[in-house]
This record gives sequence, C-alpha cells and structure tokens, in this order.
Amino acid sequence: GQQVQQSPASLVLQEGENAELQCNFSTSLNSMQWFYQRPGGSLVSLFYNPSGTKQSGRLTSTTVIKERRSSLHISSSQTTDSGTYLCAMERKGRTGGNNKLTFGQGTVLSVIP
Amino acid sequence: AQTIHQWPVAEIKAVGSPLSLGCTIKGKSSPNLYWYWQATGGTLQQLFYSITVGQVESVVQLNLSASRPKDDQFILSTEKLLLSHSGFYLCAWSLTGGSYEQYFGPGTRLTVL
Repeated sequence: GQQVQQSPASLVLQEGENAELQCNFSTSLNSMQWFYQRPGGSLVSLFYNPSGTKQSGRLTSTTVIKERRSSLHISSSQTTDSGTYLCAMERKGRTGGNNKLTFGQGTVLSVIP
Repeated sequence: AQTIHQWPVAEIKAVGSPLSLGCTIKGKSSPNLYWYWQATGGTLQQLFYSITVGQVESVVQLNLSASRPKDDQFILSTEKLLLSHSGFYLCAWSLTGGSYEQYFGPGTRLTVL
C-alpha cells in the first residue's frame, strides 16, 4: 500500500495567508525531506528533517516520528510560492545500503494575488 | 562544493531506439548514487541505486539498466525504448554508510514517440 500520503492534493490561497502541508507515513522513518518541484521537474531541496522542527525564512518543517507525520508550514504566502511541493521519506530498516526515498504524490499550491 | 550534472537536458527518441542518460558527481568521493523517474503526472520513484563502483541494484523493473563505470559516474540505458519510458529522470547522491540527505541533479526530460 501507499507508504506516504500527502495532503491536501491541491490548495488555493490568497496572498498573505498561511499554508499547512501534511505528509503521513505508514512505516517507521529514518528521515524526511521536503522539496519544491519546479514546473520543468527539477527539485529544490527545502528541508532535510529527520525529526523536530526546522525553519528557513517563511518555511517551517516539523517531523513527529511517533505520530508518523511531517508538515511544511508556509507563512505569509506569496504568489511566487505557487507550485508543487513534495515530501519524501526514507524508511527505517533498509537493506543493502539503499537509502531509498519514497515520495508523496505532491501538493499543488496556488497563491493568488 | 559538490556538483551534480546530468546529460542530456532533454531527449526526444523513437520507440525501439537505444538510450543512454548520464550523471556525474564532482567533489565527493565514493557517494551512494540513485536514479529516480517520474512519469508525466506520476509520483517520483526510485529505479536503481549503487553503493560502489561496478555495483548497481535494480529497485523497479522497467526494462532499463544502469551502470557505474567510475566512482563519480552513473549511466542509465536501454537498447529498446518503450513509450512508457517517457518522463523525467533524476540522478541523486548521498553520503554512504548511514541515513543522509539526498542531493538531486537537474534531471533529463525524455519523450518517446
């Protein structure tokens, strides 16, 4: 079954509003990464956050391992925040040295002026 | 600083033709290397990983193969392309021997006609 559930699938905000993106995982976690995916497909790394809270400017990532969830908070959204956000987890108990990332299906964020 | 390059940037190929995509990592010795793929509208998924030169493990069967001829080089190839091979291919690296952040290249867009 799907190991990573990302929600919401899409989100529309007025500029200045806050956004909360969620990622829930069904297995034990080694690490969690958050990315912004450009329209052309390339990834911009936002956070590597195995546990706890990290902040970078208007972005905050919180990973709670016991609750099997991670979130990305965007405060005071801007039109330039529009795009696709992906979470990716590395499952605990990997074999063969494969630090495999399992990606969520993404949240498409639209920020309108 | 480490850099990761992928080539070509984009390819348009005919069904049944061969393919070779490349990835080079500079500034880091003996990294773990990974190939990921995203079908149009789909979820990113891992295809291959390599923890050392000459050793590549397949994660998903897509009639593709991968090789690591040098420490800093990862090649994805097939002798006969299928329509289903279309999509976006990403190469990534991480440190080895534990759970670490993965760093992604700019990607290659493949269109099979």
